[in-house]
Amino acid sequence: QSALTQPASVSGSPGQSITISCSGTNSDIGASNFVSWYQQHSGKAPKLLVYDVYERPSGGSGRFSGSKIGTTASLTISGLQSEDEAIYYCSSYTTTSTLLIFGPGTKLTVL
Amino acid sequence: QVQVVESGGGVVQAGKSLRLSCTASGFTFSSHAMHWVRQAPGKGLEWVALISYDATNKYYADSVQGRFTVSRDNSKSTIYLQMDSLRPDDTAVYYCATATITGGALLYWGQGTQVTVPS
Repeated sequence: QSALTQPASVSGSPGQSITISCSGTNSDIGASNFVSWYQQHSGKAPKLLVYDVYERPSGGSGRFSGSKIGTTASLTISGLQSEDEAIYYCSSYTTTSTLLIFGPGTKLTVL
Repeated sequence: QVQVVESGGGVVQAGKSLRLSCTASGFTFSSHAMHWVRQAPGKGLEWVALISYDATNKYYADSVQGRFTVSRDNSKSTIYLQMDSLRPDDTAVYYCATATITGGALLYWGQGTQVTVPS
């Protein structure tokens, strides 16, 4: 049972922008700049999209951007493409006994 | 290029032990912390353990604390996950991943190794 909350699903049309939220508490997102986002296609390993709230890995796509306000983090995907259809997970370090937690995941459907 | 390869998974009876290995290449292994993450069938990601670059610090999820032990051998660019007292709810694909230099995220992931503990 995740302490982070994400919408179960979101959808958008090609070319559109969508935003996925990740709501936490003052023990995780509110207390950490180690907030990350991952993309997982069916049957594949996760892929890091955004780390440390808004940083992108070297070679990462500029269509993915991250932000954080208070205890809520967000991932925005611009210029939606069919290959963006996947499950997206947020994660955060915490101040509790479990060092790192993941959100439950959001399934993105590209219409 | 970076490669991360897990091995050692399989079917094991409840209460028994299993050791997973993860070998990495293509980067300075000894400079990076490493994570284990698992994913039960049809479920989301669950962080399992973290070992610092020099093995002086180790952290575990509450669900595996006292049963799982993470270790590393930098001379072999390999980390291990010793899993004891396995339970059916440990059934999952286990991924190994490198931490970013800042330590806050999981940068390079392996393809995972399946662990099945029948009930």
